[in-house]
Amino acid sequence: EDQVTQSPEALRLQEGESSSLNCSYTVSGLRGLFWYRQDPGKGPEFLFTLYSAGEEKEKERLKATLTKKESFLHITAPKPEDSATYLCAVHPTNSGYALNFGKGTSLLVTP
Amino acid sequence: SAVISQKPSRDICQRGTSLTIQCQVDSQVTMMFWYRQQPGQSLTLIATANQGSEATYESGFVIDKFPISRPNLTFSTLTVSNMSPEDSSIYLCSVTTGGYEQYFGPGTRLTVT
Repeated sequence: EDQVTQSPEALRLQEGESSSLNCSYTVSGLRGLFWYRQDPGKGPEFLFTLYSAGEEKEKERLKATLTKKESFLHITAPKPEDSATYLCAVHPTNSGYALNFGKGTSLLVTP
Repeated sequence: SAVISQKPSRDICQRGTSLTIQCQVDSQVTMMFWYRQQPGQSLTLIATANQGSEATYESGFVIDKFPISRPNLTFSTLTVSNMSPEDSSIYLCSVTTGGYEQYFGPGTRLTVT
C-alpha cells in the first residue's frame, strides 16, 4: 500500500535558523513527488515537483531534494512569513491522477 | 497555474440537509478534482470530475453521498448529501493545467451540527 509520512509533525524555528522537513514514501512506482505550502484558512499552494532521485528544485529560501525513499524540504535562514504547513504528496504510477498526501509539517518561525 | 474560486467559503448546516459547493476556474481545464481535508488528517481525494463523463469516485466515496456535476470546462459542483457531523471538514477543488501538479482552490469549511 502506498504511504507518505512527514516528520516532524511540528517544528518551531528562530528566524535565521535553517532546518529540513522530511517526507518518506512507499510506492510501487513514482510518477512524481510534490511539495505544497498551506496557510491557515487557505488551500494548498504548489511549490515544487520532483520526478527522479537526485533531482533538486529551489525557490527563494526553499530547496527540495529527492531520493528513492524520501524527500527533504530544506529551509535556509527562514523568516516569520515562512510559517505555514508544508505538505508532501506522491503520485504513484498506477493511480491515474490521484495524489497521496502526507499529514504535513506545521512550521512556526519566530522573530 | 489557474485561479480557482469556491463558494461558499464556509457554512454551518443542520444534520440531514445537503450542501452544494461550487468551484469556478478562470480558464478551461480538462481535469478537476474534489478533496476532503479533515482535522489532523491528510487531504483525501473524493473523486475526479471530467467534463462530459461521469465522475470517478475513490474507494470509500459514493455518488449518492457526494454527487458531482461538471457541466463545462470551467465549473464543477460537489454536493454533500444527508449530512452528519462526521462530514464536517474542509472541501477543496483542484485542477491540472497540463502537467500532473494540481492547483487548489481556497476551500469550503463545512460544519455540521
